[in-house]
Amino acid sequence: AQSVTQLDSQVPVFEEAPVELRCNYSSSVSVYLFWYVQYPNQGLQLLLKYLSGSTLVKGINGFEAEFNKSQTSFHLRKPSVHISDTAEYFCAVSDINDYKLSFGAGTTVTVRA
Amino acid sequence: EAGVAQSPRYKIIEKRQSVAFWCNPISGHATLYWYQQILGQGPKLLIQFQNNGVVDDSQLPKDRFSAERLKGVDSTLKIQPAKLEDSAVYLCASSTHRGRHNEQFFGPGTRLTVL
Repeated sequence: AQSVTQLDSQVPVFEEAPVELRCNYSSSVSVYLFWYVQYPNQGLQLLLKYLSGSTLVKGINGFEAEFNKSQTSFHLRKPSVHISDTAEYFCAVSDINDYKLSFGAGTTVTVRA
Repeated sequence: EAGVAQSPRYKIIEKRQSVAFWCNPISGHATLYWYQQILGQGPKLLIQFQNNGVVDDSQLPKDRFSAERLKGVDSTLKIQPAKLEDSAVYLCASSTHRGRHNEQFFGPGTRLTVL
């Protein structure tokens, strides 16, 4: 079984500042890793995913994440945030032979002008 | 392409009442998931269908929750009777048949409040 820990429950940030959301996972097998975003009153939308290959993954809306196998981490970053990035962000993991996603508890990002 | 549709968007009921949620997945998606998202937590998988068969319902409280996916397309999730702790957002998601490395597409959810 896999588990995900998102290390920050809330991250306030000023507009145009960088942001990093931390995610650690545990698993006894190889995994796929995902970041989803949930805007208020909406469903989850996939930001990016790591399946294999390059450990630096680029996603939509200027986000990127880096897979670090030795540290079992998959941190999400954006160099300059906008007000519209205010949302909840979820890290998720699935093992490569299973189709079940295990989600972290989420990180709420609030961008202020 | 049209996304995953869910209805109703909001539902308020009293404890011990029954409630049903409906989901229409993306056309052609063989796999359908129901998740429960309690406030302040990540989504938790309740049940997974592959076409009209159940693949995993290990986290579904079967004494009160039931789900079906007739004809392998639409799905309904029912709670009977509801408890206060069932207050949550119920998310439906779908994915292609074991494809695209489990990229799941989510609907907007149904927010259930049990009073």
